[in-house]
Amino acid sequence: AQKITQTQPGMFVQEKEAVTLDCTYDTSDPSYGLFWYKQPSSGEMIFLIYQGSYDQQNATEGRYSLNFQKARKSANLVISASQLGDSAMYFCAPLRSGAGSYQLTFGKGTKLSVIP
Amino acid sequence: DGGITQSPKYLFRKEGQNVTLSCEQNLNHDAMYWYRQDPGQGLRLIYYSQIVNDFQKGDIAEGYSVSREKKESFPLTVTSAQKNPTAFYLCASSIGAGASGNTIYFGEGSWLTVV
Repeated sequence: AQKITQTQPGMFVQEKEAVTLDCTYDTSDPSYGLFWYKQPSSGEMIFLIYQGSYDQQNATEGRYSLNFQKARKSANLVISASQLGDSAMYFCAPLRSGAGSYQLTFGKGTKLSVIP
Repeated sequence: DGGITQSPKYLFRKEGQNVTLSCEQNLNHDAMYWYRQDPGQGLRLIYYSQIVNDFQKGDIAEGYSVSREKKESFPLTVTSAQKNPTAFYLCASSIGAGASGNTIYFGEGSWLTVV
């Protein structure tokens, strides 16, 4: 089974500062992609950013960017200029292939708390 | 507005009863998924469907059943055979499951509590 490691169960960051959330994974699938999702206390899962394994550049979406190191199998999420609304659980979710389709596999998440 | 609608948001059921969670999407997506989330954990895949009238078991399918009679609907039944059904259930969809770049979008989830 694919293993995803998010080593930081909880993190604190000062408002307006940047923060990096770690994610490492193991996969033998050469064509995987990787997603990051945000889950606020309301429970919904919000798509943040996607990185394809063959993408030459690190993905960016507004204040979110990925530090993607393919050889190390890590895809750390960087949130710049943290806002109070960024307080939530964050999940790294690589894709795994099987039976002709792709499915997400989730890590256990990191709880981010933004301090005013 | 386009999106994924799950109902009910909160559901209480007695032990031994079957319960069905609804999931409807108007995004014209082919693929739909059901995930389970336990407190402090990530999501685990229960079932997924790539196309109407077809579905496959995920990692924790025992005690659950699904149907996919319409493209927009993918209901999940939690049966009495599920030993620990109390959890948060999330439905998701994507354009297709056959490519690694298709974003998977989620509904707002359903909280099921068995008493």
